[in-house]
Amino acid sequence: GDSVTQMEGPVTLSEEAFLTINCTYTATGYPSLFWYVQYPGEGLQLLLKATKADDKGSNKGFEATYRKETTSFHLEKGSVQVSDSAVYFCALSPLGNMLTFGGGTRLMVKP
Amino acid sequence: DSGVTQTPKHLITATGQRVTLRCSPRSGDLSVYWYQQSLDQGLQFLIQYYNGEERAKGNILERFSAQQFPDLHSELNLSSLELGDSALYFCASSASPTARGGYTFGSGTRLTVV
Repeated sequence: GDSVTQMEGPVTLSEEAFLTINCTYTATGYPSLFWYVQYPGEGLQLLLKATKADDKGSNKGFEATYRKETTSFHLEKGSVQVSDSAVYFCALSPLGNMLTFGGGTRLMVKP
Repeated sequence: DSGVTQTPKHLITATGQRVTLRCSPRSGDLSVYWYQQSLDQGLQFLIQYYNGEERAKGNILERFSAQQFPDLHSELNLSSLELGDSALYFCASSASPTARGGYTFGSGTRLTVV
């Protein structure tokens, strides 16, 4: 079945460091891919998305590229801030109805 | 504010009891999705409704049921509660019946079963 695998956290970085959170997927067809972010005590917020191969989603300095050949959608940011501390979820939507989520990666940014 | 409203925010109840969680989707959205988030299981899809009709079912226990009303709000009913049902329950909504565009989450209901 469809599945998403994310790197396990927590990921701890210093402010202004470069961030990469790895995400790979297994799916039939050509799913849409997403990154959601969950801040403490809140629901999930859509961070960015890509709907076809080689698309790059970007938002708030974060970006991810849909790589069909490696079935990956890694999240990157050039310079993280303390306010980026949160849990990040990679997700996919195959041709079906619902989103399938990875296990989440906790990011902690220290000043 | 995402536009998806969930009530109550917190709920504490005893084992064996029944509770109802409520969700109002974002204005104009016809699809409602329910998810359970627990520490050991991550985010698990429970069920989807589209314009009042059940559209997809995931890992939803027989003790759980849901419905979507004509005004499009949805309720998730959890009965014969067990300690293991303690979790965050999220509702999400989208305009279309598929999730290819993603969807918008509410802030969740934290259920604690004691």
